[in-house]
Amino acid sequence: DTAVSQTPKYLVTQMGNDKSIKCEQNLGHDTMYWYKQDSKKFLKIMFSYNNKELIINETVPNRFSPKSPDKAHLNLHINSLELGDSAVYFCASSLDNLDEQYFGPGTRLTVT
Amino acid sequence: RKEVEQDPGPFNVPEGATVAFNCTYSNSASQSFFWYRQDCRKEPKLLMSVYSSGNEDGRFTAQLNRASQYISLLIRDSKLSDSATYLCVVIGFSGYSTLTFGKGTMLLVSP
Repeated sequence: DTAVSQTPKYLVTQMGNDKSIKCEQNLGHDTMYWYKQDSKKFLKIMFSYNNKELIINETVPNRFSPKSPDKAHLNLHINSLELGDSAVYFCASSLDNLDEQYFGPGTRLTVT
Repeated sequence: RKEVEQDPGPFNVPEGATVAFNCTYSNSASQSFFWYRQDCRKEPKLLMSVYSSGNEDGRFTAQLNRASQYISLLIRDSKLSDSATYLCVVIGFSGYSTLTFGKGTMLLVSP
């Protein structure tokens, strides 16, 4: 049983398109996160939600919009994709915002 | 001072060696500390939490020094399978939540 799942695993798309990545956790956790890991392998937090409420919102372009329909899901929508958005995007969850995190397998986004 | 700093490595060690990683952090209000391991093209996985009293899990020992604001990870009797990137994570709350991963230290264990 997958604890944190993401779909799709791979996403290849053209510049200017809009795409979404979905994340679901079945751990009963209250907090969920989105991270971006670029080609230099630096893992940077983008957003964090606690019980559907945004608690961390790092400086990311407003083309990125997280949506949390319930506390088990945190989706990431990206508008007007750019070449620089190519990266691996990881979703994660934790019991609360100070606890250890469990990561999904990642979504490898390639913008051409 | 950067929020969280790690030696990028790589650390090249032979099997059986003992290796230590340090991670310094700038936010004195930080509250939770962890070490993660990330294999190539995989997601980060929790290795261990870090407590002020120190904690040990088999060959791995983690320490927290709040006064000097650093955490450490010691790996004894290195195995080939320990080859990975080790990431420290610092989480805090001072009016708002902060969460920062270090850039990671790569470890290569050779036969």
